[in-house]
Amino acid sequence: GIQVEQSPPDLILQEGANSTLRCNFSDSVNNLQWFHQNPWGQLINLFYIPSGTKQNGRLSATTVATERYSLLYISSSQTTDSGVYFCAVAGANSKLTFGKGITLSVRP
Amino acid sequence: DAGVTQSPTHLIKTRGQQVTLRCSPISGHKSVSWYQQVLGQGPQFIFQYYEKEERGRGNFPDRFSARQFPNYSSELNVNALLLGDSALYLCASSLSPRGGREQFFGPGTRLTVL
Repeated sequence: GIQVEQSPPDLILQEGANSTLRCNFSDSVNNLQWFHQNPWGQLINLFYIPSGTKQNGRLSATTVATERYSLLYISSSQTTDSGVYFCAVAGANSKLTFGKGITLSVRP
Repeated sequence: DAGVTQSPTHLIKTRGQQVTLRCSPISGHKSVSWYQQVLGQGPQFIFQYYEKEERGRGNFPDRFSARQFPNYSSELNVNALLLGDSALYLCASSLSPRGGREQFFGPGTRLTVL
């Protein structure tokens, strides 16, 4: 099956700093999603981005499908951005394969 | 519009018992998938159902089973519970089982097996 690697595993930022989270995947995909998991476990959809670039406020994402990676950018980070960020991909069916997640801590 | 809903929120069971978890998809979504997330890991795929038929199954033992109802809601059953079944169980819905469809997750059911 498709392998997903996320880096770095942990990230500590000062409030106001920018960050880049990376997701590498091992095969062509039909779906790539970025999620933020809140402390209660809810997976919040950030981006549906199998290819191209999208922006939503302080967050943006880019997927380069031909090179099998995706990047999530967080600008002017806030303490509320803290949590675990997951990248998940799917091939021909909708079975999502998740990475191990990136734990982000934003300090005031 | 309501998102994906799951019940119960929390559940405590003892080893050997059986448990049933429930999920209602977003209105108009016909595909439901179940995932297990153990502490410190990403969610792992368990089942996918579409139009009441199983469309995919992950690497889980036969103690895990599921079904989908005519209104597209779904149940996940786990028999003969083990301590290792303690996890957050997540349900996701999408318009169809095709790989290019965005999936939306419910709040999860946190199962503790003692």
